[in-house]
Amino acid sequence: GENVEQHPSTLSVQEGDSAVIKCTYSDSASNYFPWYKQELGKGPQLIIDIRSNVGEKKDQRIAVTLNKTAKHFSLHITETQPEDSAVYFCAASRGYSTLTFGKGTMLLVSP
Amino acid sequence: SQTIHQWPATLVQPVGSPLSLECTVEGTSNPNLYWYRQAAGRGLQLLFYSVGIGQISSEVPQNLSASRPQDRQFILSSKKLLLSDSGFYLCARSDTGQGDIQYFGAGTRLSVL
Repeated sequence: GENVEQHPSTLSVQEGDSAVIKCTYSDSASNYFPWYKQELGKGPQLIIDIRSNVGEKKDQRIAVTLNKTAKHFSLHITETQPEDSAVYFCAASRGYSTLTFGKGTMLLVSP
Repeated sequence: SQTIHQWPATLVQPVGSPLSLECTVEGTSNPNLYWYRQAAGRGLQLLFYSVGIGQISSEVPQNLSASRPQDRQFILSSKKLLLSDSGFYLCARSDTGQGDIQYFGAGTRLSVL
């Protein structure tokens, strides 16, 4: 089955800096890669996703890149703000199947 | 609106007691529904998923069971809770034609004492 590794487990940055979270996957047939943000005590919220037919996708301060050859994808957050502090999860699926999640990254943005 | 209702938000139960957590969704027909457990605030473990009424797939053998009595209702149950059942339980949905895009509910925090 699919295995998703996520790094780092904790990331601390200063407000205004950029943050990068990386994930690798094992199943070369995986073609859908979402990212979720989870604030304390709440359910995960889908923030951005990418399919294997594109290499990069942006939404304001958030971007995701995908390298199918190396089987890794990354979340990039620019101009971080304290409200970006949360746990971020990556996931992978073959499409129309169940998602396999990484173990999460706790992002701390200090003012 | 794609709304997911989960209740209760918080639950404290004694060991050996039964459990019933309910999830209902709005705004769609024939969604795929999922139950996840999250321990220690990190990591999402898929417990069950359902592609239709009465259809349940179990991902992990355990003390829990799931049922889908109606199209938009998904129930997580246990006959006798264990201490290890404590955690944050999340219901998720994906919609027809977007099978792999999942949206999560607000979750139920279960403490078994």
